[in-house]
Amino acid sequence: DAKTTQPNSMESNEEEPVHLPCNHSTISGTDYIHWYRQLPSQGPEYVIHGLTSNVNNRMASLAIAEDRKSSTLILHRATLRDAAVYYCILNWGPFGNEKLTFGTGTRLTIIP
Amino acid sequence: ETGVTQTPRHLVMGMTNKKSLKCEQHLGHNAMYWYKQSAKKPLELMFVYNFKEQTENNSVPSRFSPECPNSSHLFLHLHTLQPEDSALYLCASSPLQGARQSSNEKLFFGSGTQLSVL
Repeated sequence: DAKTTQPNSMESNEEEPVHLPCNHSTISGTDYIHWYRQLPSQGPEYVIHGLTSNVNNRMASLAIAEDRKSSTLILHRATLRDAAVYYCILNWGPFGNEKLTFGTGTRLTIIP
Repeated sequence: ETGVTQTPRHLVMGMTNKKSLKCEQHLGHNAMYWYKQSAKKPLELMFVYNFKEQTENNSVPSRFSPECPNSSHLFLHLHTLQPEDSALYLCASSPLQGARQSSNEKLFFGSGTQLSVL
């Protein structure tokens, strides 16, 4: 299985940028990097994904290292509603049978 | 609102009971999934269905029996469960498992059923 490594927890002040790191040193050339987050009492929700280039959307930005062995999810201005567990996952496997395998994620706490 | 609805939200059952969890998606997706989330553990993929056909059974005990009558509905039938089966059971859907188009690679999750087995 292609695996990811994330810090167990992080804290950030409200209205400041947050950089959530993820290591995926065994990533293969066709694995997409996905980020999901899970708010309290809810199922995970999609945040962003990418393959090689950096990606931006209304929720966040994804910065992917040139060798693709690590990536960083960037929340540009954290709010209290961003407090959640953030999962970095790889979409791996043979075409037609890809899996998203979740790890334990990073619990992000936002300090008012 | 993600478009994936799970019922019930909470369920308490004894080890000899039989119960079912229901999942419904209104997104027109063709792939549906059951995940288990135990306390302080990663999400575990249990079952995958593509176009109503089961394509993945991740070594799940037979006391969990999935059913997918159509692409919009997914059930998980439970019988003779153990206390260690207590967990949050999450349903998800995606347009098509394994689709390469970036717009199709997202999973949409329901809010889950919190199951307690006594």
